[in-house]
Amino acid sequence: DSGVTQTPKHLITATGQRVTLRCSPRSGDLSVYWYQQSLDQGLQFLIQYYNGEERAKGNILERFSAQQFPDLHSELNLSSLELGDSALYFCASSPEGGPLYGYTFGSGTRLTVV
Amino acid sequence: GNSVTQMEGPVTLSEEAFLTINCTYTATGYPSLFWYVQYPGEGLQLLLKATKADDKGSNKGFEATYRKETTSFHLEKGSVQVSDSAVYFCALSNTGGFKTIFGAGTRLFVKA
Repeated sequence: DSGVTQTPKHLITATGQRVTLRCSPRSGDLSVYWYQQSLDQGLQFLIQYYNGEERAKGNILERFSAQQFPDLHSELNLSSLELGDSALYFCASSPEGGPLYGYTFGSGTRLTVV
Repeated sequence: GNSVTQMEGPVTLSEEAFLTINCTYTATGYPSLFWYVQYPGEGLQLLLKATKADDKGSNKGFEATYRKETTSFHLEKGSVQVSDSAVYFCALSNTGGFKTIFGAGTRLFVKA
């Protein structure tokens, strides 16, 4: 157990639907990062939150959004889902020093869009 | 921009063989460098890191040295085991940056 909790582990949904992925960071970590892992694109950075505020954005589609709550858990919302959104979605957290000292990853949510 | 290039896999070795996975990077300034490992069905785990030039990161028999002159951070292990079969990712984070950039990953198979 890495200390980063992601739910659900698996999600199967239809095209056009909306889903919410949840992440609880390791205790004491203020930063949360979301990554998408697919076979053809590798690990793609989506977005980062630090202590409730958006800090950086990567290749995140407009159909996707995220937020970090006062208790530091984060949610990634994916809407108008397409077949190509099928992937593993990882959440990672880091302490205040940020990414310079490494991340702790959750075990991921496998999203399948049918 | 910043980027990481690592050798393509898969790499197939016999147990107790020597492992090298090459990684080179492009970055401005002085990035921190990492190796992460992903076992089947799991998330990535930080394997080792180095935060400045000539630093050697090591963990579980794996080593990598931060070479600024060759912009490289090659992963090595003297004697691999079947349990080392996994995907290995080289990564960097730059000073002032807010994210980590990952290489494409190298899959390692170790045969008994």
